[in-house]
Amino acid sequence: KNEVEQSPQNLTAQEGEFITINCSYSVGISALHWLQQHPGGGIVSLFMLSSGKKKHGRLIATINIQEKHSSLHITASHPRDSAVYICAVAIFYGQNFVFGPGTRLSVLP
Amino acid sequence: DTGVSQDPRHKITKRGQNVTFRCDPISEHNRLYWYRQTLGQGPEFLTYFQNEAQLEKSRLLSDRFSAERPKGSFSTLEIQRTEQGDSAMYLCASSPRDRLYEQYFGPGTRLTVT
Repeated sequence: KNEVEQSPQNLTAQEGEFITINCSYSVGISALHWLQQHPGGGIVSLFMLSSGKKKHGRLIATINIQEKHSSLHITASHPRDSAVYICAVAIFYGQNFVFGPGTRLSVLP
Repeated sequence: DTGVSQDPRHKITKRGQNVTFRCDPISEHNRLYWYRQTLGQGPEFLTYFQNEAQLEKSRLLSDRFSAERPKGSFSTLEIQRTEQGDSAMYLCASSPRDRLYEQYFGPGTRLTVT
């Protein structure tokens, strides 16, 4: 069983739709990142969370430490949101991150 | 900050050749990480430096792989006797000393072994 799982694996949405991507993990963590990766490989960190909720523009990230679960929401989705979204956790006492497999999002105009 | 940079961005090599990649972290970031990402998968940890010291290595890092960060600034990752299974995106990230668990990623080096 992978330490970090994401659902769905693939997601196709129409422009304007509300999107939710889920991440669950099985280890104790110090922090969780949501990352965005566009075709071509570059990774951008969207959020770092250790509790609660964060909002940046149309993006919202939440984390429930007790349930070991995080969600990334995109409101009013746009084709430029099309990318792979990756959940990554910093494990307690570890110095590195464990990454989920990613969710490939396509937003159609 | 100019961000994390990696060079080259793409490398095509024949099986059996050696390749070397370079990563320049954000200046004054003391931690530097190397990851490997194969198609359709999330990145996997390879190794980690704090300043010039290599503190952790994954079992994925076979003896054909070596990484250095000689002066605590840029880092190199060398793969000797490349195999087709080494084809992947190699990502570098750096973290500041005062903000644990933040990571800033470079654009990656895509390696294709033919």
